[in-house]
Amino acid sequence: EVQLVESGGGLVQPGGSLRLSCAASGFTFSSYSMNWVRQAPGKGLEWVSYISSSSSTIYYADSVKGRFTISRDNAKNSLYLQMNSLRDEDTAVYYCSKDAGSSSSGWHDSWGQGSLVTVSS
Amino acid sequence: EIVLTQSPVTLSLSPGQRATLSCRASQSVSSYLAWYQQKPGQAPRLLIYDASNRATGIPARFSGSGSGTDFTLTISSLEPEDFAVYYCQQRSNWPLTFGGGTKVEIK
Repeated sequence: EVQLVESGGGLVQPGGSLRLSCAASGFTFSSYSMNWVRQAPGKGLEWVSYISSSSSTIYYADSVKGRFTISRDNAKNSLYLQMNSLRDEDTAVYYCSKDAGSSSSGWHDSWGQGSLVTVSS
Repeated sequence: EIVLTQSPVTLSLSPGQRATLSCRASQSVSSYLAWYQQKPGQAPRLLIYDASNRATGIPARFSGSGSGTDFTLTISSLEPEDFAVYYCQQRSNWPLTFGGGTKVEIK
């Protein structure tokens, strides 16, 4: 069974930093692209970032480009999101999601339970 | 960026009724469209990908159709567990984008 478990969320002041982690199990992590998707309280889904299986290809939403960095450690079956210069509007539940196909389908077939990041003074 | 517009925002129906949800793209996404279901306090679940293919374990009452800019998710006969928010998502162009969602609520 695929499991994705996020951690590292919490309360941070505007301008601060936070690092989210996502521990993966139940599948061959090194074979799949991964994403971060967020959801502000009471709002819809917003894709944040993508990383290919080998980390060779990375994309960001314009709203986080230059502030967030996605990375992965295939030896540790882990995905990360380093978030710097946080703003109030970054407040959201952050989900890690697994790509549905081994050749980067663009669909998200498994999701973690989410990690809440609150940016507030 | 491709904008996905979902309608209606809210759909009030009774169990057993048919639900028809719409997703319109600001430009053609070919068949590169998916649908997700999200219940309160839960992560989204993939229902349909490539416009019309059901994901693993998804009941046959869920079906998707469309191509280009206009897409439909149909739930043939609503079960109590189907009342939730539904999102469409495109993978035709980066950035990946989601629609604003349609809430299917009990009438």
